[in-house]
Amino acid sequence: AQTVTQSQPEMSVQEAETVTLSCTYDTSESDYYLFWYKQPPSRQMILVIRQEAYKQQNATENRFSVNFQKAAKSFSLKISDSQLGDAAMYFCAYRSQGGSEKLVFGKGTKLTVNP
Amino acid sequence: GAGVSQSPRYKVAKRGQDVALRCDPISGHVSLFWYQQALGQGPEFLTYFQNEAQLDKSGLPSDRFFAERPEGSVSTLKIQRTQQEDSAVYLCASSLAGDGYEQYFGPGTRLTVT
Repeated sequence: AQTVTQSQPEMSVQEAETVTLSCTYDTSESDYYLFWYKQPPSRQMILVIRQEAYKQQNATENRFSVNFQKAAKSFSLKISDSQLGDAAMYFCAYRSQGGSEKLVFGKGTKLTVNP
Repeated sequence: GAGVSQSPRYKVAKRGQDVALRCDPISGHVSLFWYQQALGQGPEFLTYFQNEAQLDKSGLPSDRFFAERPEGSVSTLKIQRTQQEDSAVYLCASSLAGDGYEQYFGPGTRLTVT
């Protein structure tokens, strides 16, 4: 079974600075998808960024980018120019390619943005 | 368009009562998922449907948990004889079917068992 580990329960960053959230995962599969989801205090989870394992190029979405290291099974999220609205719980998630479409989540990292 | 909606948003049940949680997916989304999120934890998969077929129910913690999606749209998660450990937020998500499609989440139902 796949597992996802987020080793940082809490992180903080100053507004306009850069922060990196860590995620590692364990799998024996070669094809899969990785996601970062954001869950603000209102609790509605929204997708931040996704990465297909077969793609070597790291995904980017505006101020959000990932560092995907397939051999190391590492998938970190970098948030540049942090904004107050970035404050939330961030969850790393894994999905197999083919088979069950379920997401396997880590325990999350609570990000605080200080003005 | 409208997102995923869930009702009720909050539910308080006495231990031993049965509860039913409803999920309305995004129109046209074939896949529907249920997750359980305990306080301070990440969501954990319960079950999912493709149309009306329940393809994976490996995450249901006991036979007290039952989910259905009889017409391939609205889904209901039923918990019988609730226990305190069932207290959690129950999240529903929907997506287009197939590899890698984004799951869109609802606001969740917070269940408190007293």
